[in-house]
Amino acid sequence: EDQVTQSPEALRLQEGESSSLNCSYTVSGLRGLFWYRQDPGKGPEFLFTLYSAGEEKEKERLKATLTKKESFLHITAPKPEDSATYLCAVQQNSGGYQKVTFGTGTKLQVIP
Amino acid sequence: NAGVTQTPKFQVLKTGQSMTLQCAQDMNHEYMSWYRQDPGMGLRLIHYSVGAGITDQGEVPNGYNVSRSTTEDFPLRLLSAAPSQTSVYFCASSYDRTGGEQYFGPGTRLTVT
Repeated sequence: EDQVTQSPEALRLQEGESSSLNCSYTVSGLRGLFWYRQDPGKGPEFLFTLYSAGEEKEKERLKATLTKKESFLHITAPKPEDSATYLCAVQQNSGGYQKVTFGTGTKLQVIP
Repeated sequence: NAGVTQTPKFQVLKTGQSMTLQCAQDMNHEYMSWYRQDPGMGLRLIHYSVGAGITDQGEVPNGYNVSRSTTEDFPLRLLSAAPSQTSVYFCASSYDRTGGEQYFGPGTRLTVT
């Protein structure tokens, strides 16, 4: 069964304390892996797309990396405004459409 | 450029009632989709469309209908609301016809009593 598992479920960091969020997946025929940020009461906001193992993308304090089985979202020196839920999604070739499976997210809280 | 808009923001229905959730995008995206988000579960795809006149089912289509008469609009219809349809509904669009990088609307919080 195709699965996307994110860990930890919740993470509390002090401002400036770097850490990583994990997204592990068991899908066949990976086409792409996506990271989104979701603030309370809002829709997910696109952050990154990764297509192949070894690929890295960066945006401000965030860096996403991809291996054959998992992706990491590294947060360097986080600020309180980085507090949000981070969602991972994988896209695979599946029959007539490109199936996208979302994980349940990691809720990040950054304390001043 | 408003992006993806959804109305209403909140809705309460009684069991058996029907309603339409509206979604519109002004980015000229061919791909549009509807998801539901429930506590402890990832976003789940209800229906999607790869262009005007073309729609298909996603992972959880039962109880919902869609149509796509224009590139801009993609309404979601609940035929006979049930408590199990209580959820937050998100519409999304993508320039990628395979539904890769998606841009989401603000969501509609629906409660069915």
